[in-house]
Amino acid sequence: DGGITQSPKYLFRKEGQNVTLSCEQNLNHDAMYWYRQDPGQGLRLIYYSQIVNDFQKGDIAEGYSVSREKKESFPLTVTSAQKNPTAFYLCASSIGRTGRKGNEQFFGPGTRLTVL
Amino acid sequence: AQSVTQPDIHITVSEGASLELRCNYSYGATPYLFWYVQSPGQGLQLLLKYFSGDTLVQGIKGFEAEFKRSQSSFNLRKPSVHWSDAAEYFCAVGVINTNAGKSTFGDGTTLTVKP
Repeated sequence: DGGITQSPKYLFRKEGQNVTLSCEQNLNHDAMYWYRQDPGQGLRLIYYSQIVNDFQKGDIAEGYSVSREKKESFPLTVTSAQKNPTAFYLCASSIGRTGRKGNEQFFGPGTRLTVL
Repeated sequence: AQSVTQPDIHITVSEGASLELRCNYSYGATPYLFWYVQSPGQGLQLLLKYFSGDTLVQGIKGFEAEFKRSQSSFNLRKPSVHWSDAAEYFCAVGVINTNAGKSTFGDGTTLTVKP
């Protein structure tokens, strides 16, 4: 079955620690995205990547970093510089630049990060 | 830049009643438009999308949406709501250019279904 996996589902971190959230897809999609979701605020784009070895900042990139060394993987690191990291994090992918007919996004199940 | 407004934060309907969730967008050309649904603690699932052609779009789970260019709207409808439809619904607008795939999401509408 093709899809997107995120791990872990729940993650706890102490203040001042960096933590990396995993996102893997086997849909052969070029584009991948990270969103942060807080209650009542919808989805806010953190970073996105349209192709391997390339990525761009989204609307709220401060305190986060990403890498895209492989097409199927797009890990997100939440650094200690992120002032309020407790949130629900969603990874998504889409066909990308060559997409036709709408180019919708496919989402993983999410990771809930709690800073203790 | 494009934007999406979902005017209703929370809607409550009785099971079996009809449903309409509103979505207004701002974009300089014909957009790609999407509706997604999210169950608590889960990722988003695509309900339907519009990119061209017939302005009335059919989706999964009995949902449909109508694109109205003159009103910059893409409202989601269902004739008879089931208790399992209780969830959060997001409207999104996609960009038609070299950044194909990047979407802007509304803040969502939470649907509660009364028995």
